[in-house]
Amino acid sequence: DAKTTQPTSMDCAEGRAANLPCNHSTISGNEYVYWYRQIHSQGPQYIIHGLKNNETNEMASLIITEDRKSSTLILPHATLRDTAVYYCIVRETGANNLFFGTGTRLTVIP
Amino acid sequence: DTAVSQTPKYLVTQMGNDKSIKCEQNLGHDTMYWYKQDSKKFLKIMFSYNNKELIINETVPNRFSPKSPDKAHLNLHINSLELGDSAVYFCASSPWTSQDTGELFFGEGSRLTVL
Repeated sequence: DAKTTQPTSMDCAEGRAANLPCNHSTISGNEYVYWYRQIHSQGPQYIIHGLKNNETNEMASLIITEDRKSSTLILPHATLRDTAVYYCIVRETGANNLFFGTGTRLTVIP
Repeated sequence: DTAVSQTPKYLVTQMGNDKSIKCEQNLGHDTMYWYKQDSKKFLKIMFSYNNKELIINETVPNRFSPKSPDKAHLNLHINSLELGDSAVYFCASSPWTSQDTGELFFGEGSRLTVL
């Protein structure tokens, strides 16, 4: 079962930063926060993950609050191709599956 | 080269028929999965195999039978298809030894329509 809460939808202007929030207030100490996205008619795509430190890669940044009860995925310069459903997932260390919630539908507007 | 490939991409069939969806990964991963995404877009895990052994079966009807001939392939066979089986089925793989990366590689999906 999904242990995260995300807004149903968000809009972002092209070229601006997209900040996608996620609440995971019941996260336990050995659970990581993962972000995936699903562009229309494609399979989900891994974006980034973290435990407690902020993380950055070529796609995005992940900011996790100090109490780990929430996080924000940041796409620094959103493009039209970033329009997708973004899933925030918490997963135990050693678990070998992912449970997807309903995600946030991000629409990047020209 | 496609990392996780599924065939067919589209499948339209009648109720009561038996059909199969094939999945192959060329990433050398040990673990493979089947996920189902229904019309409401909920993505749910169905099965997980590690080195050809079933490790997850999420209360899927026994009309669904996964088969893993080797660790690069995980096929999904569905007997006596029902209208409710209409969905997009995604295959995925991940490296077992790197579980903490949590990175699953998904195929492009197979859209099954049961009439």
